[in-house]
Amino acid sequence: NAGVTQTPKFQVLKTGQSMTLQCAQDMNHNSMYWYRQDPGMGLRLIYYSASEGTTDKGEVPNGYNVSRLNKREFSLRLESAAPSQTSVYFCASRDFGLSDYEQYFGPGTRLTVT
Amino acid sequence: LAKTTQPISMDSYEGQEVNITCSHNNIATNDYITWYQQFPSQGPRFIIQGYKTKVTNEVASLFIPADRKSSTLSLPRVSLSDTAVYYCLVGDMIGGFKTIFGAGTRLFVKA
Repeated sequence: NAGVTQTPKFQVLKTGQSMTLQCAQDMNHNSMYWYRQDPGMGLRLIYYSASEGTTDKGEVPNGYNVSRLNKREFSLRLESAAPSQTSVYFCASRDFGLSDYEQYFGPGTRLTVT
Repeated sequence: LAKTTQPISMDSYEGQEVNITCSHNNIATNDYITWYQQFPSQGPRFIIQGYKTKVTNEVASLFIPADRKSSTLSLPRVSLSDTAVYYCLVGDMIGGFKTIFGAGTRLFVKA
C-alpha cells in the first residue's frame, strides 16, 4: 500500500515549456487535490476532483489544467511554464465520508522554471 | 469557507506542553476543525479533527469551546522532533471538498 505517489520528484523547465505532473493513489479514495507551496508559505489549492469524472477550480487555477483519468489518477498540466510557477506541488487524496476530513499527501514535486 | 487566524510562530522547550490557538469566527454549523503537521520537504500529515468539546488521540488534544469560534491544539511534552508547521483548517463535511490552508504556525522546539 504505497498511499499517494507523485512523479517526478524534481523537474527543471525553461519558460514556455509544458509538462504534466502525475499523481496516483491506491486507497480507493473518491476525492483528489493539487496544491502548490511556495517557499515559507502555506499550501494553496489549485484544482480538486470531488469524484471520478469531476474537477473544479481552487484558489489559484490560472496556468494549470487537470485530468481525473480514473479513480486512482489525477494529473496536473502546465501548458506554458512561467517562473512564477516555481514551487513545490503536492497531490492529496481523501475518502468522502461524514466526520472524516483527513487528506493523505504525496511526497511532492519540486518544480523550478527558469 | 471560514477564515482561520493562527500565530505565525511559537517557541518552546523540550518537555513542555504547547498550546496553539486558532481563531475561526465565521465557522458554520456543518464545519469541522482539523489540524495538520508539516515537516520540511514533506507533505502535511493529519493530526486531529473535532467538532465540539474535546478530542484526544495518541498525539494531541483538541479543545473546542461551546461557541466554536476558536480551537486549541495541545501537544503534551514536546520534543525536538515536534518542530514543524501546524495548520488549522475549518471545512464543511457535507460536500465540502474545497479546502483552504492558511499560513500555519511555525513551532520551534529548543533543547
